[in-house]
Amino acid sequence: EAGVAQSPRYKIIEKRQSVAFWCNPISGHATLYWYQQILGQGPKLLIQFQNNGVVDDSQLPKDRFSAERLKGVDSTLKIQPAKLEDSAVYLCASSAPSLTSGYSYEQYFGPGTRLTVT
Amino acid sequence: RKEVEQDPGPFNVPEGATVAFNCTYSNSASQSFFWYRQDCRKEPKLLMSVYSSGNEDGRFTAQLNRASQYISLLIRDSKLSDSATYLCVVSGGSQGNLIFGKGTKLSVKP
Repeated sequence: EAGVAQSPRYKIIEKRQSVAFWCNPISGHATLYWYQQILGQGPKLLIQFQNNGVVDDSQLPKDRFSAERLKGVDSTLKIQPAKLEDSAVYLCASSAPSLTSGYSYEQYFGPGTRLTVT
Repeated sequence: RKEVEQDPGPFNVPEGATVAFNCTYSNSASQSFFWYRQDCRKEPKLLMSVYSSGNEDGRFTAQLNRASQYISLLIRDSKLSDSATYLCVVSGGSQGNLIFGKGTKLSVKP
Protein backbone atom coordinates (compact mmCIF):
# COMPACT_ATOMS: atom_id res chain seq x y z
CA GLU A 1 0.00 0.00 0.00
CA ALA A 2 1.42 3.40 -0.97
CA GLY A 3 1.96 5.82 1.88
CA VAL A 4 1.28 9.52 2.16
CA ALA A 5 3.16 11.40 -0.55
CA GLN A 6 4.44 14.95 -0.18
CA SER A 7 6.37 17.30 -2.39
CA PRO A 8 8.69 19.01 -2.51
CA ARG A 9 10.88 17.41 0.16
CA TYR A 10 12.97 20.53 0.65
CA LYS A 11 12.39 24.19 -0.11
CA ILE A 12 14.48 27.27 0.55
CA ILE A 13 12.90 30.69 0.01
CA GLU A 14 13.49 34.25 1.08
CA LYS A 15 11.18 36.00 3.50
CA ARG A 16 8.15 37.61 1.90
CA GLN A 17 8.15 35.03 -0.91
CA SER A 18 5.33 32.52 -1.43
CA VAL A 19 5.52 28.75 -1.26
CA ALA A 20 3.14 25.84 -1.77
CA PHE A 21 3.26 22.26 -0.55
CA TRP A 22 1.39 19.31 -1.97
CA CYS A 23 0.07 16.18 -0.28
CA ASN A 24 -1.52 13.01 -1.60
CA PRO A 25 -3.01 10.89 1.22
CA ILE A 26 -3.35 7.14 1.39
CA SER A 27 -6.10 5.97 -0.94
CA GLY A 28 -9.46 5.86 0.81
CA HIS A 29 -8.42 8.03 3.75
CA ALA A 30 -11.11 10.62 4.25
CA THR A 31 -9.32 12.72 6.86
CA LEU A 32 -6.25 14.78 6.00
CA TYR A 33 -4.13 16.85 8.35
CA TRP A 34 -1.42 19.45 7.92
CA TYR A 35 1.05 19.88 10.78
CA GLN A 36 3.91 22.28 11.40
CA GLN A 37 6.90 20.88 13.28
CA ILE A 38 9.48 23.39 14.42
CA LEU A 39 12.88 21.99 15.41
CA GLY A 40 12.77 20.58 18.93
CA GLN A 41 8.97 20.65 19.13
CA GLY A 42 6.21 18.18 18.52
CA PRO A 43 3.97 18.52 15.47
CA LYS A 44 1.32 21.24 15.76
CA LEU A 45 -1.93 20.85 13.87
CA LEU A 46 -2.58 23.59 11.34
CA ILE A 47 -5.70 22.28 9.62
CA GLN A 48 -7.83 19.14 9.47
CA PHE A 49 -10.02 18.17 6.50
CA GLN A 50 -12.78 15.60 6.42
CA ASN A 51 -13.21 14.83 2.71
CA ASN A 52 -13.15 18.34 1.22
CA GLY A 53 -14.56 20.14 4.27
CA VAL A 54 -12.57 21.84 7.03
CA VAL A 55 -13.03 20.29 10.48
CA ASP A 56 -10.51 22.37 12.42
CA ASP A 57 -8.38 25.32 11.32
CA SER A 58 -8.20 27.11 14.65
CA GLN A 59 -4.39 27.15 14.70
CA LEU A 60 -3.89 28.14 11.07
CA PRO A 61 -2.46 31.69 10.75
CA LYS A 62 -5.05 32.70 8.22
CA ASP A 63 -3.43 36.03 7.37
CA ARG A 64 -0.66 34.16 5.57
CA PHE A 65 -1.52 30.45 5.43
CA SER A 66 -4.19 28.83 3.29
CA ALA A 67 -5.06 25.24 2.47
CA GLU A 68 -7.49 23.49 0.22
CA ARG A 69 -8.64 19.99 -0.62
CA LEU A 70 -10.95 20.65 -3.51
CA LYS A 71 -11.82 17.11 -4.63
CA GLY A 72 -11.45 15.44 -1.26
CA VAL A 73 -8.17 13.75 -2.19
CA ASP A 74 -5.00 15.84 -2.77
CA SER A 75 -4.35 18.91 -0.72
CA THR A 76 -2.16 21.99 -1.00
CA LEU A 77 -0.88 24.25 1.76
CA LYS A 78 0.28 27.73 0.84
CA ILE A 79 2.23 30.38 2.73
CA GLN A 80 2.09 33.93 1.40
CA PRO A 81 4.17 35.86 2.39
CA ALA A 82 6.63 33.69 4.32
CA LYS A 83 8.31 34.85 7.52
CA LEU A 84 11.54 33.64 9.11
CA GLU A 85 9.56 31.90 11.86
CA ASP A 86 7.82 29.72 9.27
CA SER A 87 11.01 27.67 8.93
CA ALA A 88 9.88 24.19 9.92
CA VAL A 89 8.94 20.77 8.60
CA TYR A 90 5.41 20.65 7.22
CA LEU A 91 3.90 17.23 7.69
CA CYS A 92 0.83 15.87 6.02
CA ALA A 93 -1.03 12.96 7.60
CA SER A 94 -4.14 10.99 6.76
CA SER A 95 -6.44 8.61 8.57
CA ALA A 96 -9.15 6.20 7.54
CA PRO A 97 -12.69 6.52 8.85
CA SER A 98 -13.68 4.17 11.65
CA LEU A 99 -16.68 1.95 11.01
CA THR A 100 -18.06 2.80 14.47
CA SER A 101 -17.20 6.44 15.09
CA GLY A 102 -16.55 7.72 11.59
CA TYR A 103 -13.07 8.90 12.50
CA SER A 104 -9.79 7.36 13.60
CA TYR A 105 -6.88 8.56 15.69
CA GLU A 106 -4.39 6.35 13.89
CA GLN A 107 -2.67 8.80 11.61
CA TYR A 108 -0.16 8.00 8.88
CA PHE A 109 2.39 10.68 8.15
CA GLY A 110 4.15 11.61 4.96
CA PRO A 111 7.91 12.34 4.89
CA GLY A 112 7.34 16.08 5.25
CA THR A 113 8.59 19.18 3.47
CA ARG A 114 11.50 20.91 5.15
CA LEU A 115 11.10 24.67 4.63
CA THR A 116 13.90 27.14 5.26
CA VAL A 117 13.07 30.85 5.09
CA THR A 118 16.11 33.13 4.84
CA ARG B 1 0.04 24.85 31.61
CA LYS B 2 0.92 23.19 28.29
CA GLU B 3 -1.58 20.70 26.91
CA VAL B 4 0.89 17.82 26.84
CA GLU B 5 4.12 17.92 28.82
CA GLN B 6 6.95 15.42 28.66
CA ASP B 7 10.31 14.86 30.32
CA PRO B 8 12.68 17.10 28.36
CA GLY B 9 15.45 14.50 28.02
CA PRO B 10 17.69 13.56 26.39
CA PHE B 11 17.97 10.12 27.93
CA ASN B 12 21.33 8.44 27.29
CA VAL B 13 21.28 4.80 28.34
CA PRO B 14 23.40 1.68 27.70
CA GLU B 15 22.06 -1.27 25.75
CA GLY B 16 19.96 -3.54 27.92
CA ALA B 17 18.83 -0.77 30.26
CA THR B 18 15.25 -0.11 31.26
CA VAL B 19 14.04 3.43 30.61
CA ALA B 20 10.79 5.16 31.51
CA PHE B 21 9.18 8.21 29.94
CA ASN B 22 6.51 10.26 31.66
CA CYS B 23 3.89 12.58 30.29
CA THR B 24 1.08 14.70 31.75
CA TYR B 25 -1.87 16.23 29.94
CA SER B 26 -4.13 19.11 30.86
CA ASN B 27 -7.48 18.28 29.25
CA SER B 28 -9.40 15.92 31.51
CA ALA B 29 -11.87 15.32 28.66
CA SER B 30 -9.25 13.65 26.47
CA GLN B 31 -10.33 10.12 25.68
CA SER B 32 -7.53 8.58 23.63
CA PHE B 33 -3.82 8.37 24.27
CA PHE B 34 -0.84 7.25 22.24
CA TRP B 35 2.91 7.05 22.00
CA TYR B 36 4.44 7.90 18.64
CA ARG B 37 8.06 7.35 17.68
CA GLN B 38 10.02 9.74 15.47
CA ASP B 39 13.44 8.86 14.09
CA CYS B 40 15.85 11.67 13.26
CA ARG B 41 14.66 13.63 10.23
CA LYS B 42 11.79 11.19 9.67
CA GLU B 43 8.04 11.35 10.14
CA PRO B 44 6.28 10.29 13.37
CA LYS B 45 4.93 6.74 13.45
CA LEU B 46 2.43 5.22 15.85
CA LEU B 47 4.20 3.07 18.44
CA MET B 48 1.24 2.06 20.55
CA SER B 49 -2.08 3.15 21.94
CA VAL B 50 -2.44 3.56 25.72
CA TYR B 51 -5.37 2.00 27.54
CA SER B 52 -6.63 2.54 31.08
CA SER B 53 -5.84 -1.05 31.97
CA GLY B 54 -2.27 -0.68 30.75
CA ASN B 55 -0.96 -2.52 27.74
CA GLU B 56 2.20 -4.24 26.66
CA ASP B 57 3.79 -4.87 23.27
CA GLY B 58 6.95 -6.91 23.56
CA ARG B 59 9.51 -4.81 25.44
CA PHE B 60 7.20 -1.79 25.57
CA THR B 61 4.64 -1.15 28.32
CA ALA B 62 2.27 1.83 28.41
CA GLN B 63 0.27 2.98 31.41
CA LEU B 64 -2.48 5.56 31.85
CA ASN B 65 -3.64 7.17 35.07
CA ARG B 66 -6.74 9.24 34.30
CA ALA B 67 -7.09 10.60 37.83
CA SER B 68 -3.58 12.07 37.70
CA GLN B 69 -3.75 12.78 33.95
CA TYR B 70 -0.49 10.93 33.58
CA ILE B 71 0.84 8.60 30.87
CA SER B 72 4.01 6.54 30.91
CA LEU B 73 6.06 4.39 28.56
CA LEU B 74 8.51 1.79 29.80
CA ILE B 75 11.11 0.23 27.50
CA ARG B 76 12.86 -2.86 28.79
CA ASP B 77 16.11 -4.33 27.48
CA SER B 78 16.87 -1.26 25.33
CA LYS B 79 18.28 -1.85 21.87
CA LEU B 80 20.38 0.47 19.74
CA SER B 81 17.44 0.61 17.34
CA ASP B 82 15.25 2.13 20.06
CA SER B 83 17.19 5.40 19.70
CA ALA B 84 14.58 7.96 18.60
CA THR B 85 12.32 10.69 19.94
CA TYR B 86 9.21 9.46 21.72
CA LEU B 87 6.14 11.67 21.42
CA CYS B 88 3.30 11.57 23.93
CA VAL B 89 0.00 12.22 22.15
CA VAL B 90 -3.55 12.81 23.40
CA SER B 91 -6.82 13.32 21.59
CA GLY B 92 -7.96 16.90 21.19
CA GLY B 93 -11.29 18.60 20.80
CA SER B 94 -12.16 17.82 17.19
CA GLN B 95 -12.89 14.33 15.96
CA GLY B 96 -9.64 12.64 15.09
CA ASN B 97 -7.61 15.61 16.34
CA LEU B 98 -4.31 14.81 18.12
CA ILE B 99 -2.17 16.98 20.36
CA PHE B 100 1.53 16.13 20.48
CA GLY B 101 4.03 16.71 23.26
CA LYS B 102 7.49 18.05 22.47
CA GLY B 103 8.98 14.59 22.62
CA THR B 104 11.74 12.98 24.63
CA LYS B 105 14.91 11.98 22.86
CA LEU B 106 16.40 8.57 23.69
CA SER B 107 19.92 7.53 22.77
CA VAL B 108 20.89 3.93 23.43
CA LYS B 109 24.65 3.40 23.47
CA PRO B 110 26.59 0.13 23.00
